[in-house]
Amino acid sequence: EAQVTQNPRYLITVTGKKLTVTCSQNMNHEYMSWYRQDPGLGLRQIYYSMNVEVTDKGDVPEGYKVSRKEKRNFPLILESPSPNQTSLYFCASSWGGTETQYFGPGTRLLVL
Amino acid sequence: SQQGEEDPQALSIQEGENATMNCSYKTSINNLQWYRQNSGRGLVHLILIRSNEREKHSGRLRVTLDTSKKSSSLLITASRAADTASYFCATDGTGANNLFFGTGTRLTVIP
Repeated sequence: EAQVTQNPRYLITVTGKKLTVTCSQNMNHEYMSWYRQDPGLGLRQIYYSMNVEVTDKGDVPEGYKVSRKEKRNFPLILESPSPNQTSLYFCASSWGGTETQYFGPGTRLLVL
Repeated sequence: SQQGEEDPQALSIQEGENATMNCSYKTSINNLQWYRQNSGRGLVHLILIRSNEREKHSGRLRVTLDTSKKSSSLLITASRAADTASYFCATDGTGANNLFFGTGTRLTVIP
C-alpha cells in the first residue's frame, strides 16, 4: 500500500531535550516536506527536499533541522525543543513540490 | 503572501444539502488543489485544477477556477455526515517549488 508513515504519532517532551520525528514513504517520490499545523494558522511549511541531499527552508524553519540521506526517509530534528514548537506535524511526499501531496498521519508534539 | 484564504471559516448544513466553499489567492498560479482533513488526521488530496481549466468534477465534487478573480470554489453536492471535515485549498505560484495552504473551512454536516 502506498503510504507515508511518521513516528512517533504522539510525543510529550521537555524543553531542550533533542528529538527526532521520522518520516518514510514507499512511493519513490523525489519531493518530501514537513509542515506544522496550528489553530488559526493553517499549514506552514518547515523544510522541504527536492531530492537526496537537497534540502531547503520553508516558511518557518527556525528551530528545526532536516536531512535527506535516502530517498524514502526525511527525518525532522528538533535539537532544543521549546514550548512554541508544540504543534501537529505532518510529513508529505510527492513527485514534485507543486503536484499532489501525500500526507502522513501526523505527529502531535507537546513540549513542556 | 501566496497563501490561499478560504471562506467561510466554518459552515454547518443538513445532510443532503450542497456545501460551497471558496478560496481566494493573491498571485498567479499554475494549479490549485483542494484537500480534506478529518479531525487531527493527515490531509487527503481531493482534486487538482490547472490554471487553463475552468471547471473540474470528481464524483460529488465540483471545482471551479476563475483566474481573473483569483478565486476558486469547491461544491460538494448531496452532502453526507461523512463529509464532515476541514477543507483546504493549496496554491502554487509562478516559479514556486511548493504549495501554500490556506487556513481551511470547517464543514459540519448534520445527519
